[in-house]
Amino acid sequence: GAGVSQTPSNKVTEKGKYVELRCDPISGHTALYWYRQSLGQGPEFLIYFQGTGAADDSGLPNDRFFAVRPEGSVSTLKIQRTERGDSAVYLCASSLNPGLGETQYFGPGTRLLVL
Amino acid sequence: AQTVTQSQPEMSVQEAETVTLSCTYDTSENNYYLFWYKQPPSRQMILVIRQEAYKQQNATENRFSVNFQKAAKSFSLKISDSQLGDTAMYFCAFIPPLNDYKLSFGAGTTVTVRA
Repeated sequence: GAGVSQTPSNKVTEKGKYVELRCDPISGHTALYWYRQSLGQGPEFLIYFQGTGAADDSGLPNDRFFAVRPEGSVSTLKIQRTERGDSAVYLCASSLNPGLGETQYFGPGTRLLVL
Repeated sequence: AQTVTQSQPEMSVQEAETVTLSCTYDTSENNYYLFWYKQPPSRQMILVIRQEAYKQQNATENRFSVNFQKAAKSFSLKISDSQLGDTAMYFCAFIPPLNDYKLSFGAGTTVTVRA
C-alpha cells in the first residue's frame, strides 16, 4: 500500500485480556517504530525494529508488552493481561532507513480501550 | 534526556491569517533533528517540516516555515494564509544524534482555524 496501515482501527477489551495490534509498514522500509499516545499528550517511544530484530525496546513499559517483526515487514505489538492504564492510541511508523534523523511515516493508529 | 516543550495548549486563527506555534527543547548535543508533525482528528500523524540542526537556513514548505534559533533552543512554526484544513493538533519533535531514530514529542498545540 501507499502508506503505513494499522489494524484494527479500534479495539475494546476487558481488563486481563490479551490483545494484538498489527502494523503494515510502507513497502521497502527497513525500520519500524511503535509509539503510544495517551489522551492529550504527545506520542512516546516504545520500540524500534531494524529489519527483524528489536534494536531498542527501552520504551516498553513492562514485560506485559512484547513486539515482533518475524519477516522484517509486518509487526505485531502484543499486550498480555491488559490493564485500564494501557488504554491509549498505539501508533506505528516506518522509515526507509534507520537513523540519521530519517523521516518517520506514521499510520493512523489503533485506539485501545481497556474496560 | 531530551525534553520538548510546547507552551501553548491551544491557538485560534482566522482563515487567511498567520499563526505562530512555539517550541523549545533541551539538549546538550550539537547535531540533532527537529520536526513539526500535524495530527488531524483522523489521528494520522503527518510530517509538516523537518530541520537539521547543522543547517543554518530555516526550512520552508509552502505555507509552513520555521524560525530555528539554535542558541536559544527554539523551533517555532509559522503557518501563513491559514486554511480550514490546517485545523489539527501540531506536535514539535526532536531526534538526538546518539539514538538518531527515537522521536521525543512535545505535548502538542491544538490549532483551530475559524472561517
